[in-house]
Amino acid sequence: DTGVSQDPRHKITKRGQNVTFRCDPISEHNRLYWYRQTLGQGPEFLTYFQNEAQLEKSRLLSDRFSAERPKGSFSTLEIQRTEQGDSAMYLCASRLHEAGELFFGEGSRLTVL
Amino acid sequence: DQQVKQNSPSLSVQEGRISILNCDYTNSMFDYFLWYKKYPAEGPTFLISISSIKDKNEDGRFTVFLNKSAKHLSLHIVPSQPGDSAVYFCAASANSGAGSYQLTFGKGTKLSVIP
Repeated sequence: DTGVSQDPRHKITKRGQNVTFRCDPISEHNRLYWYRQTLGQGPEFLTYFQNEAQLEKSRLLSDRFSAERPKGSFSTLEIQRTEQGDSAMYLCASRLHEAGELFFGEGSRLTVL
Repeated sequence: DQQVKQNSPSLSVQEGRISILNCDYTNSMFDYFLWYKKYPAEGPTFLISISSIKDKNEDGRFTVFLNKSAKHLSLHIVPSQPGDSAVYFCAASANSGAGSYQLTFGKGTKLSVIP
């Protein structure tokens, strides 16, 4: 399968714990995006990487959130001291070209108890 | 401030008839528009797109129309099939300055095609 893959698909955690999600983009795609989707909403932009450089962050990305793409390939999104409001689907997407279609992974669903 | 609006949360259509999904936007800098389809527990899947220099793009049963003066686009599905039942998201992009061309999404319209 050469699509965007995300791991884990589901994560249940207790409030205050740290969680980390991983995204493996399509191999030749140098542009990688993280989005968050909550119930009844469309996906909301969190952050953007071009190769290993994090070039844009949304104001939704609070200090408890950190994203990395250390070698310009896979990316991780870590949430520290999780809160119930962090419960959402975290989507990763990638593209090769500057604009156009984004290819999404199947998402990582986070439930914070 | 919702820059991309899908005012109909849901739509029911008989199989074989036309489905029309609507989307309005407020940011005049948007220059590329896309429709995505999403099934439960899956990521969004790209359906069709249109550049702001065009007013229509067609791909099989799917046609997207863009009315720039009204800041409105629509997705037509003809004929509708039960497998089209899903949530449809309208999205738009513009150069954010950082070069991300991130997509801004509407809240989605849930289409139900009744056999």
